[in-house]
Amino acid sequence: SQTIHQWPATLVQPVGSPLSLECTVEGTSNPNLYWYRQAAGRGLQLLFYSVGIGQISSEVPQNLSASRPQDRQFILSSKKLLLSDSGFYLCAWRTGPYNEQFFGPGTRLTVL
Amino acid sequence: AQSVAQPEDQVNVAEGNPLTVKCTYSVSGNPYLFWYVQYPNRGLQFLLKYITGDNLVKGSYGFEAEFNKSQTSFHLKKPSALVSDSALYFCAVRANTGGFKTIFGAGTRLFVKA
Repeated sequence: SQTIHQWPATLVQPVGSPLSLECTVEGTSNPNLYWYRQAAGRGLQLLFYSVGIGQISSEVPQNLSASRPQDRQFILSSKKLLLSDSGFYLCAWRTGPYNEQFFGPGTRLTVL
Repeated sequence: AQSVAQPEDQVNVAEGNPLTVKCTYSVSGNPYLFWYVQYPNRGLQFLLKYITGDNLVKGSYGFEAEFNKSQTSFHLKKPSALVSDSALYFCAVRANTGGFKTIFGAGTRLFVKA
């Protein structure tokens, strides 16, 4: 069966520090991968999506970046965190045009 | 452009009563529609989807949703609410024109009181 992992679960970082969040998927191949940010327990903001290795689409201009070095690995990064980067970061995957997305457990990021 | 509206920030219902969480959408072409549920500090869990066919879709945990094309709605329903149904519910839409993005509503918080 398919599973999706995200780590770390929680992270507290100072302003200006770098960031690396990792997401890996097991049990499927060639998934579409997504990074979302959720602020204050409400709506989801799509940050990046990827349809294949090395293929990244950015949805909003920001100081975050994403990479997909392997088929089932999706990394969210920043060189210098801002206070506004705080939030709950969710990774998701999907295969096939009719299918739902499957979400990871999320990473709670607090920037101080 | 695609959009999803969940007009209620919060829905309160007594345990044992029926519940409805509303969703309307706008999309070019025919929609793929989804409902997800989120418990505190957790990822979203898939409940049900409408792709084509019967307008009434049944999903997990006794939930169902009705697709209404003329009203562009996809309301989530359950005949008898449980306290454990209390959570944040998201409606989502994707166009069937081959896009990769799913658009999520802002979410509706459901409180079920014992």
